[in-house]
Amino acid sequence: DQQVKQNSPSLSVQEGRISILNCDYTNSMFDYFLWYKKYPAEGPTFLISISSIKDKNEDGRFTVFLNKSAKHLSLHIVPSQPGDSAVYFCAASPTSGTYKYIFGTGTRLKVLA
Amino acid sequence: DAGVTQSPTHLIKTRGQHVTLRCSPISGHKSVSWYQQVLGQGPQFIFQYYEKEERGRGNFPDRFSARQFPNYSSELNVNALLLGDSALYLCASSLGANEKLFFGSGTQLSVL
Repeated sequence: DQQVKQNSPSLSVQEGRISILNCDYTNSMFDYFLWYKKYPAEGPTFLISISSIKDKNEDGRFTVFLNKSAKHLSLHIVPSQPGDSAVYFCAASPTSGTYKYIFGTGTRLKVLA
Repeated sequence: DAGVTQSPTHLIKTRGQHVTLRCSPISGHKSVSWYQQVLGQGPQFIFQYYEKEERGRGNFPDRFSARQFPNYSSELNVNALLLGDSALYLCASSLGANEKLFFGSGTQLSVL
């Protein structure tokens, strides 16, 4: 039972354009969400997070949007750069309990120069 | 500052053997978590330790065990290895039990 879903396994975007990566979750107890980026042969790197009390969080070129009623979050990268090419994972956690993070299956982003 | 370090980086074992993976957290971090990532999937939670106590366990068999030492480093042990245990094993540390994770580069385990 996949509680966090990334339905697009891959995405290609032209350099300078917007990249939008989507993530859906099923557990209404999740209230803290994170995005991680992973390059080959490296561990995931934290990118940006959002708690359920917000619907938007920005950090430079990266913005995460949260729609609690739809149980959906998205990561926007503007403008996209070739160095953004990586696999992106969303992760979710309740703020209480076992503190484990549930990860999606990832979306491979390719930014074309 | 050193990030999360894991050893070894690669390991090849045969079925039925035992393996120990090691992790050193970022200095000052008291929580260590272990995740398994199978090719094409996202990381899957195995264990979390905070202040040397197990705080959470994922849906893994008892062949998987872990511990955290007084210096907050950690070991993951897997007994009676199966082919399906082949995966990237990621260690992550965090300041507290419920804060963002900082991952190491992982140990790639191949079971033949």
